Amino acid sequence: EAGVAQSPRYKIIEKRQSVAFWCNPISGHATLYWYQQILGQGPKLLIQFQNNGVVDDSQLPKDRFSAERLKGVDSTLKIQPAKLEDSAVYLCASSVSAKSSYEQYFGPGTRLTVT
Amino acid sequence: DAKTTQPPSMDCAEGRAANLPCNHSTISGNEYVYWYRQIHSQGPQYIIHGLKNNETNEMASLIITEDRKSSTLILPHATLRDTAVYYCIVRVEYSGAGSYQLTFGKGTKLSVIP
Repeated sequence: EAGVAQSPRYKIIEKRQSVAFWCNPISGHATLYWYQQILGQGPKLLIQFQNNGVVDDSQLPKDRFSAERLKGVDSTLKIQPAKLEDSAVYLCASSVSAKSSYEQYFGPGTRLTVT
Repeated sequence: DAKTTQPPSMDCAEGRAANLPCNHSTISGNEYVYWYRQIHSQGPQYIIHGLKNNETNEMASLIITEDRKSSTLILPHATLRDTAVYYCIVRVEYSGAGSYQLTFGKGTKLSVIP
């Protein structure tokens, strides 16, 4: 079974520029998550989708971050404009559903460096 | 969800059992203990979870104390590939309302030494 795919793997941008990350979850997984992982810390949930609807975005900085999951499959996470403190690894994860699955499958992440 | 406490780092000799402790003294009756690990430059990987009883799968064993205030993840025969950060997470099993969150702490960095 193919895992969670993310692209790009690495991105370097200057502050105030915009950037977008893409995630393709495991086929058939209804629930999709975006996490931010700052160096030396554990991942922090940014947003959770159930199919194409948002379940939880309470920790998403909505003034600069946005995410969508059109058609309930792929998802994109955007930052506009980026700040230095956004430098982190952005992880996408998926699970069969939020109700039945206890296991989240994570992608390799996108490492963002803001200069 | 209850807070967990883990040692920041541990070493283990290759081939020996690795025992990773986790304290969760404020755990509630309906909260599960989950373990994930993160190998360098990869996303976290699910290992095991449990409520009250000890659990075992092909990767590890989970021992939960009778009062449920602490647990131990056991890797029976550690290999170099087990070098990773191990996260102990306590959370309520999804109830059908709201979100399903994993709240990660800083975990324990396990180094398996040849």
